[in-house]
Amino acid sequence: GAVVSQHPSRVICKSGTSVKIECRSLDFQATTMFWYRQFPKQSLMLMATSNEGSKATYEQGVEKDKFLINHASLTLSTLTVTSAHPEDSSFYICSARTGNGDYGYTFGSGTRLTVV
Amino acid sequence: GQNIDQPTEMTATEGAIVQINCTYQTSGFNGLFWYQQHAGEAPTFLSYNVLDGLEEKGRFSSFLSRSKGYSYLLLKELQMKDSASYLCAVNDGDYKLSFGAGTTVTVRA
Repeated sequence: GAVVSQHPSRVICKSGTSVKIECRSLDFQATTMFWYRQFPKQSLMLMATSNEGSKATYEQGVEKDKFLINHASLTLSTLTVTSAHPEDSSFYICSARTGNGDYGYTFGSGTRLTVV
Repeated sequence: GQNIDQPTEMTATEGAIVQINCTYQTSGFNGLFWYQQHAGEAPTFLSYNVLDGLEEKGRFSSFLSRSKGYSYLLLKELQMKDSASYLCAVNDGDYKLSFGAGTTVTVRA
């Protein structure tokens, strides 16, 4: 089945630094990738939608200059949290449209970001 | 905006049945998903409904009524490992999934 590999699974960084999270589709081409953020005991909130070769579409209230998304190839999408602050500490998950299996969506394993 | 409601918490006994309800009001509709999520992990696909009616898959069943904007997930023969958060999500027609806040199910011995 379609697999999305997400790395790192956990990262701790200092305030003011940047962190990059990668999602790779291993056995299919992901033309569309969704990036979610999940705070403790809350649901997944869509941050942005990225399409290969074009600019990402951000949801209302999400700062595009802070959360940089790059989807330069059909198998790799990255989310960079720039100038991270403690309030950015969260669980970040990517999801790709596969077109088949699980009715079209598969999730990465998630990244736990802690900003100290 | 999208509005998806589900109860916050439910508790049940091992071997029992639990029904998790989900109501939705969305700008479009192209199917409803149920996912299971354990703490610190990604969601795992459970079921998908796009037409009215009941979909059964082993111990899990899901029902959809599009006219009522309503779905439920039925978990039978509960096991301890079923303790998790259950997420209702709607495809709004633009391929985006909007998630409910999740229902935490606790299974007691």
